[in-house]
Amino acid sequence: AQRVTQPEKLLSVFKGAPVELKCNYSYSGSPELFWYVQYSRQRLQLLLRHISRESIKGFTADLNKGETSFHLKKPFAQEEDSAMYYCALSATGGFKTIFGAGTRLFVKA
Amino acid sequence: GAGVSQSPSNKVTEKGKDVELRCDPISGHTALYWYRQSLGQGLEFLIYFQGNSAPDKSGLPSDRFSAERTGGSVSTLTIQRTQQEDSAVYLCASSLNTIETQYFGPGTRLLVL
Repeated sequence: AQRVTQPEKLLSVFKGAPVELKCNYSYSGSPELFWYVQYSRQRLQLLLRHISRESIKGFTADLNKGETSFHLKKPFAQEEDSAMYYCALSATGGFKTIFGAGTRLFVKA
Repeated sequence: GAGVSQSPSNKVTEKGKDVELRCDPISGHTALYWYRQSLGQGLEFLIYFQGNSAPDKSGLPSDRFSAERTGGSVSTLTIQRTQQEDSAVYLCASSLNTIETQYFGPGTRLLVL
């Protein structure tokens, strides 16, 4: 069955420290992976998707098909990165997008 | 252009009453999703519409919940005989097709007293 797993419900780091939000997926085909973010009092929005290979707000994510992972990384966390982060998986052919349970990132001063 | 809009933004109702929540997706988006987000919790998938296909209702928590999408555009989520545990933020999202980015609405905050 298709599944997205975010093992950490809460991640707390100090400002300036590296941060990695883990995401593992289960899907037999070729998936499209996304990271969405929800800042306080804002609507949920796309942060990045693997096909774009972009770095957004200093965040990057690499799709590792061997490990079926799509971890989100940033070398130096900022306080404004504090938010809820969701990993999501989609595919072609009318496939329903599946979201992970989310990880709340808290960056301490 | 306009993003996804939802109405009302807040709804307070009494237990046992019916409520209707509305979602206006981005024009031209064929896929539409409803999610529920309880306080401090993640996204709970409710229902998914894709074009003219039959909706995927696998996430609806009970038969008190139903949704329709008229003319491939506006969608309404109806909760009958509301219960206190229905209190949550209900989010709608649309995407150009299933593999594309989802655009979320601001949500409707429902409080059942």
